Amino acid sequence: QVQLQESGPGLVKPSGTLSLTCTVSGDSFRSTDWWSWVRQSPGKGLEWIGEIHRSGGSNYNPSLKSRLTISVDKSKNQISLKLSSVTAADTAIYYCARNDYHRVDFWGQGTPVTVSS
Amino acid sequence: QSALTQPASVSGSPGQSITISCTGTSSDVGGYNYVSWYQHHPGKAPKLMISEVNNRPSGVSNRFSGSKSGNTASLTISGLQAEDETDYYCSSYTSSSTYVFGTGTKVTVL
Repeated sequence: QVQLQESGPGLVKPSGTLSLTCTVSGDSFRSTDWWSWVRQSPGKGLEWIGEIHRSGGSNYNPSLKSRLTISVDKSKNQISLKLSSVTAADTAIYYCARNDYHRVDFWGQGTPVTVSS
Repeated sequence: QSALTQPASVSGSPGQSITISCTGTSSDVGGYNYVSWYQHHPGKAPKLMISEVNNRPSGVSNRFSGSKSGNTASLTISGLQAEDETDYYCSSYTSSSTYVFGTGTKVTVL
């Protein structure tokens, strides 16, 4: 069974950088190609943020690309997200998830992040 | 990329069937058979209900089924039950090697 756990600060100041980590437990990390980040802002729908391949290749949502970095640390079974120059619009629950051949089949429980001074 | 279009809400009585549509373009829904559907109870992790247009993962009730015609995909819930009342999202792979979600549909069981 794949288990994902997001972690990181729950409060980020405007114009700062949002940094989150997703730790994957189980044996699937080495055999899974793609890992994704998804978010849901208050009162809004799900938004795909981006994904990273275990080799380091990535694909990003065009609307976030200029501010976004997703990376992988295979030695720690972790995927990381960094979003710079944040505003209140980046307030959301952030989920990490496994992308298994174009379907997101395992999700973390999500971590809430608020952008506020 | 623009979100796929879903109806804001769909309702039905217990036992009835309902269908949720998901409309995109030839660059996403119409161009690939990589359409997925997710059930999302607020505050919980989304759950994969359908992948690759009409594949049901192990453990998902056979009351859930998917289809696609042109640029529109659909999720049908048969034999509607009270536990089905929540939010549903479609998602598609795109020609830009990205993914896009639908606007979301709230299902109400009357």
